[in-house]
Amino acid sequence: DADVTQTPRNRITKTGKRIMLECSQTKGHDRMYWYRQDPGLGLRLIYYSFDVKDINKGEISDGYSVSRQAQAKFSLSLESAIPNQTALYFCATSDFYGTGVTDTQYFGPGTRLTVL
Amino acid sequence: AQSVTQLGSHVSVSEGALVLLRCNYSSSVPPYLFWYVQYPNQGLQLLLKYTSAATLVKGINGFEAEFKKSETSFHLTKPSAHMSDAAEYFCAVSATNSGGSNYKLTFGKGTLLTVNP
Repeated sequence: DADVTQTPRNRITKTGKRIMLECSQTKGHDRMYWYRQDPGLGLRLIYYSFDVKDINKGEISDGYSVSRQAQAKFSLSLESAIPNQTALYFCATSDFYGTGVTDTQYFGPGTRLTVL
Repeated sequence: AQSVTQLGSHVSVSEGALVLLRCNYSSSVPPYLFWYVQYPNQGLQLLLKYTSAATLVKGINGFEAEFKKSETSFHLTKPSAHMSDAAEYFCAVSATNSGGSNYKLTFGKGTLLTVNP
């Protein structure tokens, strides 16, 4: 079984609809992240969470919200979807090895979201 | 702030030829650098990472990268391309938060590698 799973894998929705993307992990990591990928732009960070009570905005958080329901679950919501939120969304996790030690991030398979 | 520039959005090589994917970084502190690969319809997979232990880093699938501080570069190479190497490759630099831990990855825009038979 995959360590980081995302549901749904594909979703088509209409402008103005609320949608939730879910991420679950079995790696036991405390840190979780949401990114969006757009062609030619690479990945951009939306939100990140260091633990259940520590949630932070990334570089492009406007129009998104998140919920960290448990160590293993991190959900991304679009309260009122708009067409320019059409993208590929990735969840990632990482462990924490202490100050100064890099955290390798492990990615889920992605959710392809289309907003019409 | 950290940033990454990947030179060439699309690189095409013949099977068996050298693969060279270029990455230059900008960082105000010693960086941690990563290469990730994304195969079609899949998530990102770590190829290799530089954490200051050695300037030549070996990764999976025969790839390696060399950290050159004087050139602020971290180019990815493979001596002989295989058809299965066709994918998109992302270079990333790790930023440090106020607590001193590296947490945020800043990605380049990606390089699509095509391997011709």
